[in-house]
Amino acid sequence: DTGVSQDPRHKITKRGQNVTFRCDPISEHNRLYWYRQTLGQGPEFLTYFQNEAQLEKSRLLSDRFSAERPKGSFSTLEIQRTEQGDSAMYLCASSLGRVHTDTQYFGPGTRLTVL
Amino acid sequence: GNSVTQMEGPVTLSEEAFLTINCTYTATGYPSLFWYVQYPGEGLQLLLKATKADDKGSNKGFEATYRKETTSFHLEKGSVQVSDSAVYFCAPPWAGRRALTFGSGTRLQVQP
Repeated sequence: DTGVSQDPRHKITKRGQNVTFRCDPISEHNRLYWYRQTLGQGPEFLTYFQNEAQLEKSRLLSDRFSAERPKGSFSTLEIQRTEQGDSAMYLCASSLGRVHTDTQYFGPGTRLTVL
Repeated sequence: GNSVTQMEGPVTLSEEAFLTINCTYTATGYPSLFWYVQYPGEGLQLLLKATKADDKGSNKGFEATYRKETTSFHLEKGSVQVSDSAVYFCAPPWAGRRALTFGSGTRLQVQP
């Protein structure tokens, strides 16, 4: 069990550019979550997957954001036409997704800075 | 929907002091409750959890008891250390069906 990994750890981009982040969950974890965390705040839910199916999306997830989990393993989060307000830490978490006592395990996050 | 109210910080304590961080919740059903911790520069880590009423979660000297009658899950530690300085999040009641939003957390600063 190597934990949840995220790549890259840091990303600096210019406004208007597209960025893509990757998350590799703990193996055999069926559920995968994306959150966003800004300075001094708790994580805000963005979306989650049960295997390859995207089951819920927050209203925070504008049409510039898209997430995929094509084979039910790793996931990508893409932000198109980035804005300065997108600057945040993007967290990925995974869980077994089988029982109501499920625990979410978080990755180290990708810190995005939009200039 | 389910929600959580967490004590605002920062909380500043001297080493070896007693710690309590209050957390109350509203929930439907019988959810699991969690405390997560975020050390400076690191990701969120599960600190402890309780899966049913009257359960006590414990880890690293921290404890929290799932009190259904008062809908609370307060975090306690008898003697804090400088290394406990972090932000603590009482995670929303989790019934395994959807992800919810965390509160803003409580920053703990322990001084030597």
